[in-house]
Amino acid sequence: GAGVSQSPRYKVAKRGQDVALRCDPISGHVSLFWYQQALGQGPEFLTYFQNEAQLDKSGLPSDRFFAERPEGSVSTLKIQRTQQEDSAVYLCASSLLQGAEVQPQHFGDGTRLSIL
Amino acid sequence: KNQVEQSPQSLIILEGKNCTLQCNYTVSPFSNLRWYKQDTGRGPVSLTIMTFSENTKSNGRYTATLDADTKQSSLHITASQLSDSASYICVVSSVSGGYNKLIFGAGTRLAVHP
Repeated sequence: GAGVSQSPRYKVAKRGQDVALRCDPISGHVSLFWYQQALGQGPEFLTYFQNEAQLDKSGLPSDRFFAERPEGSVSTLKIQRTQQEDSAVYLCASSLLQGAEVQPQHFGDGTRLSIL
Repeated sequence: KNQVEQSPQSLIILEGKNCTLQCNYTVSPFSNLRWYKQDTGRGPVSLTIMTFSENTKSNGRYTATLDADTKQSSLHITASQLSDSASYICVVSSVSGGYNKLIFGAGTRLAVHP
């Protein structure tokens, strides 16, 4: 497909388990973003990649959250020792380029994570 | 603190009617302002992007305005359709660390009834 693809669409885990969420950005997109969206709220920034380099991880809520993009395309967001407050929709977005240029971010449909 | 506030929180209108959604922001430095539409269970989809120098931008039945002096924006929807039922999110971009960092509002939930 031509859009941003995220998997799985839904994930249910028990508190304390580790989870891994995958994002396939649009081919050729340099920039990749992860966001966390709580119910009824707007997305909140987690982290930003330019190619394989993680340039900003200031939004990651704790050291239990880890993201990687080793080859500059597919990205994985990993959450260790999940807690109930981690329940949210995790959105991935990609764009051609950031910096001075104004580029729209293209979003995937997200992974809805529920921690029991 | 960088903030984006939207009003109303939710809105119900009849099909065919017009409506206007509001956005106020306190974001610095300001780069651009975006409106996104988010259907239930889907990711946000870009409607408009406006830079500091742009006062208005249209995308079909959607028209966004920007007043950078008062830090206000609006999204006007004309001749609403049932498919317009969604959350509309105002997003302000601030250049930070060499890239555009997006700050999202909580959204206005619009329901269009027949």
